[in-house]
Amino acid sequence: DTEVTQTPKHLVMGMTNKKSLKCEQHMGHRAMYWYKQKAKKPPELMFVYSYEKLSINESVPSRFSPECPNSSLLNLHLHALQPEDSALYLCASSQLSTGDYGYTFGSGTRLTVV
Amino acid sequence: RKEVEQDPGPFNVPEGATVAFNCTYSNSASQSFFWYRQDCRKEPKLLMSVYSSGNEDGRFTAQLNRASQYISLLIRDSKLSDSATYLCVVNGRNSGGYQKVTFGIGTKLQVIP
Repeated sequence: DTEVTQTPKHLVMGMTNKKSLKCEQHMGHRAMYWYKQKAKKPPELMFVYSYEKLSINESVPSRFSPECPNSSLLNLHLHALQPEDSALYLCASSQLSTGDYGYTFGSGTRLTVV
Repeated sequence: RKEVEQDPGPFNVPEGATVAFNCTYSNSASQSFFWYRQDCRKEPKLLMSVYSSGNEDGRFTAQLNRASQYISLLIRDSKLSDSATYLCVVNGRNSGGYQKVTFGIGTKLQVIP
């Protein structure tokens, strides 16, 4: 299994809703990431988990809350989002926590906040 | 100066042409380098890692020049299916010693019949 699986693929939520994005990998990768990508822009790093511990939080608003239940799973809990949070949310994993062998991305969750 | 700079293009080239992209980076301590390909509304996919000795994969050749702090990607015999955005990715450490991944803005390639 050489994939990163993300669910759901599409999500529409209101500004008062609470939802979660899920990500799963079974490649034994030691680091997992959340990225946000707006149209015509490169991915922006949000969070890094290394060996199931949060190692990087790129000053992301608290309405985004990551969780890593185990080495294969990564969640992103969403609450009280704003319309400007609408974007493609990408999960990625890397074999090493240094990322030196590159990153494998999931196909993303396309989020629309209404 | 941006940490990773790429010409956003678009590069419009005819089928069969050779096209080259460059990417410059500002942090001389950067450690690993990659080219990713991203199709419209899809996730980025790793195309190649980039090494100082240069590496080739079929029609694709990547090169790293540490002294000048740039990486390049050469595509020979362009195919219609090569049309995509090519992202330069640089991996290093920030001032706190944590991993820092920086994406370039991407170069858009359109191969024309």
